Amino acid sequence: QQPVQSPQAVILREGEDAVINCSSSKALYSVHWYRQKHGEAPVFLMILLKGGEQKGHDKISASFNEKKQQSSLYLTASQLSYSGTYFCGTYQGAQKLVFGQGTRLTINP
Amino acid sequence: IAGITQAPTSQILAAGRRMTLRCTQDMRHNAMYWYRQDLGLGLRLIHYSNTAGTTGKGEVPDGYSVSRANTDDFPLTLASAVPSQTSVYFCASSDSWGRSLHFGNGTRLTVT
Repeated sequence: QQPVQSPQAVILREGEDAVINCSSSKALYSVHWYRQKHGEAPVFLMILLKGGEQKGHDKISASFNEKKQQSSLYLTASQLSYSGTYFCGTYQGAQKLVFGQGTRLTINP
Repeated sequence: IAGITQAPTSQILAAGRRMTLRCTQDMRHNAMYWYRQDLGLGLRLIHYSNTAGTTGKGEVPDGYSVSRANTDDFPLTLASAVPSQTSVYFCASSDSWGRSLHFGNGTRLTVT
């Protein structure tokens, strides 16, 4: 079963912040985040493991709450280069990585 | 070759025809995957392979088959293409721990 992402789309001005949420009806042991620019392949951003950890990648960070079966991706002081579609992914069994439907992020100057 | 190579880049195929999408990786990754991407539906897993000689069904396996004869290659076959299989297909690989997936550049398939 696919994880559910919200919102489906976000439009920001450069410098604004955004939060993308990912939730699952099944127990989560890890959450992956990927970004895909238009016409390109998805690119790995980060993976979060059990323990409620947070991670950062430049001004992009994420949190993982396995009790709530949720993860959130935080984009701070967004840049034009952050535009794209963001996907969260969760394992539904060994090596069976399933993605959410994606959140399209548009950053305007 | 560096990373994952998919071929062809794009293809227009008549319904009912057989088609094999090729995927080759040079990273010696054990796990490989096939996803299809359709607008509004995200990336959906078709088939996967934990290691050479083993394969598994993903979310949308019907109408597709795969094989994994060796570590490097993971071809996806459409035995008899239908218009609903029009999509962009991505192949990916990861190490045994599944820490991150590396994607190929995709194959855009149109079935008419």
